[in-house]
Amino acid sequence: DAGITQSPRYKITETGRQVTLMCHQTWSHSYMFWYRQDLGHGLRLIYYSAAADITDKGEVPDGYVVSRSKTENFPLTLESATRSQTSVYFCASLIAGRGTGELFFGEGSRLTVL
Amino acid sequence: GENVEQHPSTLSVQEGDSAVIKCTYSDSASNYFPWYKQELGKGPQLIIDIRSNVGEKKDQRIAVTLNKTAKHFSLHITETQPEDSAVYFCAASGKNRDDKIIFGKGTRLHILP
Repeated sequence: DAGITQSPRYKITETGRQVTLMCHQTWSHSYMFWYRQDLGHGLRLIYYSAAADITDKGEVPDGYVVSRSKTENFPLTLESATRSQTSVYFCASLIAGRGTGELFFGEGSRLTVL
Repeated sequence: GENVEQHPSTLSVQEGDSAVIKCTYSDSASNYFPWYKQELGKGPQLIIDIRSNVGEKKDQRIAVTLNKTAKHFSLHITETQPEDSAVYFCAASGKNRDDKIIFGKGTRLHILP
């Protein structure tokens, strides 16, 4: 039972570069989410997706792009990375319609933008 | 949109004592309130949740209370143990429990020996 996996776990990049963080889930959960975690801000929602080809903005979407061509994958792209995007990024999934509301999180991707 | 405030940001309690973390929310339409625990280097995990039609829910040493009129909810941990040391997040979401879930800023709980 692999669950939800994120890659890479650690990434260092430079300002202006494009970076893609990958998220893969083996459960076929309908909903997937991207959060960023920063000291003093907690977990902030970047984007979420209710199903393949359906995405919507969260609290802090600027500077990020997502896609969901397949149910199991939900990549997050920083088109031109900035230092303010240095953070720990968490992907999560949720079963729709089961009524539990439980988010299942990956282990996180730590991104440093120099 | 929904806004969730969480206090305190840091909490230290002696092992065996109780810990209380409090949250308030802004959207009166929110009706689902989960609590997550995050251990060092890991993603958050759900530990307990409560729905708006319930005032209190318990699971062993953990309990959550909800006051819909005041729009606040709290996490209570009794008989704290070293393994309770972690960051705790409260959250709120709307009429569909699949709605985007908004988190508080977190509380770092230290259990002192």
